[in-house]
Amino acid sequence: EVQLVESGGALVQPGGSLRLTCAASGFIFSDYWMTWVRQAPGKGLEWVANIKQDGSVKHYLDSVNGRFTISRDNAENSLFLQMSTLRVEDTAVYYCARESVNLNLGSDGFDKWGQGTLVTVSS
Amino acid sequence: QSVLTQPPSASGTPGQRVTISCSGSSSNIGRKSVYWYLQLPGTAPKLLIYRNDQRPSGVPDRFSGSKSGTSASLAISGLRSEDEADYYCATWDGSLSGWVFGGGTKLTVL
Repeated sequence: EVQLVESGGALVQPGGSLRLTCAASGFIFSDYWMTWVRQAPGKGLEWVANIKQDGSVKHYLDSVNGRFTISRDNAENSLFLQMSTLRVEDTAVYYCARESVNLNLGSDGFDKWGQGTLVTVSS
Repeated sequence: QSVLTQPPSASGTPGQRVTISCSGSSSNIGRKSVYWYLQLPGTAPKLLIYRNDQRPSGVPDRFSGSKSGTSASLAISGLRSEDEADYYCATWDGSLSGWVFGGGTKLTVL
């Protein structure tokens, strides 16, 4: 069974740092792009960052570029999001999601999601 | 302000057909496929439609997607109470080099 389990969410002060982890199991992790999506309390979904299978390509939401770093360890089947200089507006549930990509047809979408981990930025 | 525009709410009675629209631009929907996600209260999102009109296995054929130009639609026929949820469209935006979501549509089954 495919599973994505996020951890690392916490209460942190503005300007602080946090590292989120997403542990993957039940599939060949190195075959998939991986993504972080967040959802502020009572708000909609917001894509944060994604990373290619081998880690060679990364994209970021403009508002987190330079503050957040996405990475992965294929040997450990893990995805990470290092967050620094956190702001109040970064408060959200952070989900990791698997992106299935068909080489000929393009993305098959975020087909598996974790349950999310809550990051609260507040003084 | 989301890059993709969805109506904030929609409603219907059991058995009815409802549609949810998603409007974008030439840098996103106009060039890329559209994806739809369903989110039940307190749960993680779930993929409902991929590549404009494809259903993942397990998604009932009551759900269908379409795309025309810079807009897309999700249609739900034979509405059921369990369809009450938030629905989001998404696509890749070439100008932003990132995925973008609509603001979400809260579907109420009356």
